Amino acid sequence: ETGVTQTPRHLVMGMTNKKSLKCEQHLGHNAMYWYKQSAKKPLELMFVYNFKEQTENNSVPSRFSPECPNSSHLFLHLHTLQPEDSALYLCASSQQLGSTDTQYFGPGTRLTVL
Amino acid sequence: ILNVEQSPQSLHVQEGDSTNFTCSFPSSNFYALHWYRWETAKSPEALFVMTLNGDEKKKGRISATLNTKEGYSYLYIKGSQPEDSATYLCAFNAGNNRKLIWGLGTSLAVNP
Repeated sequence: ETGVTQTPRHLVMGMTNKKSLKCEQHLGHNAMYWYKQSAKKPLELMFVYNFKEQTENNSVPSRFSPECPNSSHLFLHLHTLQPEDSALYLCASSQQLGSTDTQYFGPGTRLTVL
Repeated sequence: ILNVEQSPQSLHVQEGDSTNFTCSFPSSNFYALHWYRWETAKSPEALFVMTLNGDEKKKGRISATLNTKEGYSYLYIKGSQPEDSATYLCAFNAGNNRKLIWGLGTSLAVNP
């Protein structure tokens, strides 16, 4: 257990659906991250939040909408996704945003868009 | 464009074999190099954070070295066990508060 939980673990949705991914960290960390992992590609950073404020949006399409209501919770709202958005979505947290801060990952949500 | 390369892409060894793999990264603007271990259906797990040229870190049978001048890090596993089977990822950080740049990983399978 890394102290970072993600729900659901698996999600299948149609292109017209709206769904949300949830991440919760029990580590008292200040920074939280959303990553996308597609087959045969490296981990791709999507969003970064630090003390609930978004500090990075890595040119992510607007059909992905993050929300960070507090330092322990992070959501990724999904609407009108495309089949190419099918991937593993990982959440992570770290104490700070520093270069040596270890990121602690959740187990991910496997998303399939039909 | 910053790029992190890992080799080999995959590796199959017998239980008891020692093995090593490589992470190559840009040698300029180095801040930190992270190694992670990722078992199937589990969360990626941090192994090491390395910052100094010549640094060597060890955790049980796993160790890592760092050469920032030539831009590479080696991960060694001594006496591989089936439970070492996982994908080993490295990630490079080019500056404080900068995002991690990840490699594709080396997939290790240890046969009993």
